[in-house]
Amino acid sequence: AQSVTQLGSHVSVSEGALVLLRCNYSSSVPPYLFWYVQYPNQGLQLLLKYTSAATLVKGINGFEAEFKKSETSFHLTKPSAHMSDAAEYFCAVTPTPNYGGSQGNLIFGKGTKLSVKP
Amino acid sequence: DSGVTQTPKHLITATGQRVTLRCSPRSGDLSVYWYQQSLDQGLQFLIQYYNGEERAKGNILERFSAQQFPDLHSELNLSSLELGDSALYFCASSRDRGGEQYFGPGTRLTVT
Repeated sequence: AQSVTQLGSHVSVSEGALVLLRCNYSSSVPPYLFWYVQYPNQGLQLLLKYTSAATLVKGINGFEAEFKKSETSFHLTKPSAHMSDAAEYFCAVTPTPNYGGSQGNLIFGKGTKLSVKP
Repeated sequence: DSGVTQTPKHLITATGQRVTLRCSPRSGDLSVYWYQQSLDQGLQFLIQYYNGEERAKGNILERFSAQQFPDLHSELNLSSLELGDSALYFCASSRDRGGEQYFGPGTRLTVT
């Protein structure tokens, strides 16, 4: 079974400061991991994904995440926050395809709302 | 724009009624996933279809059903609606299982 825990339902940073959103996963098989962003009244947009290649993954809008198997973590970072980064961020996990009949459906964390102060 | 379309955007209906939500996947995508987003439950996977066949089921109620048609569009049918069914319903599509999923804008269902 898979699960995702996102530490901190709300995170507030100042513009220009480091953004760190935490995600820990639990998976009985090798996982694929994703970060999605949701702006108000919109659908989810894929920021980046880990699919068992490089452990440091770069995504859109300057975001990146590092897969750490020993810590079962996949934290999202951005060196310098921008006002336009204010949104809700979701971490998601799915078993690697071909393991246990996985069909790729995503298990999401509860989300972290990021606020950016001017 | 993800390329996934959902209709309608908003739906307001009464308890006990039945509604149908529609999703058109990105061109070339064979997998369609349905998710429900509510304040108390968060984002939950409901059901997945691949090329017309049901492939996986999540926390989908028996009052809910779905299908994927030969042209690959999908419909989610919700019946005997209850107040607690009020939520955002998202459709997502991917080329195949495990691939990155592209989400539609969602249908906001309000049951009164």
